[in-house]
Amino acid sequence: QSVLTQPPSVSGTPGQRVTISCSGSTSNVGSNYVYWFQQLPGAAPKLLMYRNDQRPSGVPDRFSGSKSGTSVSLAISGLRSEDEADYHCAAWDDSLGGHWVFGGGTKLTVL
Amino acid sequence: QLQLQESGPGLVKPSETLSLTCAVSGGSISSTDYYWGWVRQPPGKGLEWVASIYYNGDTYYNPSLKTRVTISLDASKNQFSLKVSAATAADTAVYFCARTPKTGILTFDRWGQGSLVTVSS
Repeated sequence: QSVLTQPPSVSGTPGQRVTISCSGSTSNVGSNYVYWFQQLPGAAPKLLMYRNDQRPSGVPDRFSGSKSGTSVSLAISGLRSEDEADYHCAAWDDSLGGHWVFGGGTKLTVL
Repeated sequence: QLQLQESGPGLVKPSETLSLTCAVSGGSISSTDYYWGWVRQPPGKGLEWVASIYYNGDTYYNPSLKTRVTISLDASKNQFSLKVSAATAADTAVYFCARTPKTGILTFDRWGQGSLVTVSS
């Protein structure tokens, strides 16, 4: 059971806007930055968003992040077929001396 | 260009020790700017942080694995390693090594391709 909660799957059609939620608690999402990773089939995760809403160089501005309290969201606008992947949220958790926690991952299907 | 490459046995027997090494090229693990760590992913499941290490040997462990896990680094070979003792089927996973900047991005910004380890007799 993952510490952060994500929906197992979301779907959308090309050009649509979809959002992926990630909820945690005061010891992780509520008090620390949240990060998002994109994992294409058979590949290693790739950093997609850092510090809640910052995009690394090369990540299109179709991807955006937001945070409110102990929940965060990743939004993908202008959906493309190449966006089909697993998306994982992560945060530092201050409990038990501090450790990284992840969500269970969300499979995005582009119909 | 920084590259990380995992290596180790693909099959480990239950109760034995699982060992993996991550070779780093295009950068130095002796840099004060980064942590180096391991993240694993059981088949069909989400990611789980295992452990991280700093250039000076400071170590950080997932509390749920702490009693069985050891992370270490070898600066002379520019690589770091992971050992998981008393392995069980629950340790079957793809193990990724990754870099974490100490400032700025603050999370896993570069990853290896991953190494599948199966625990089975």
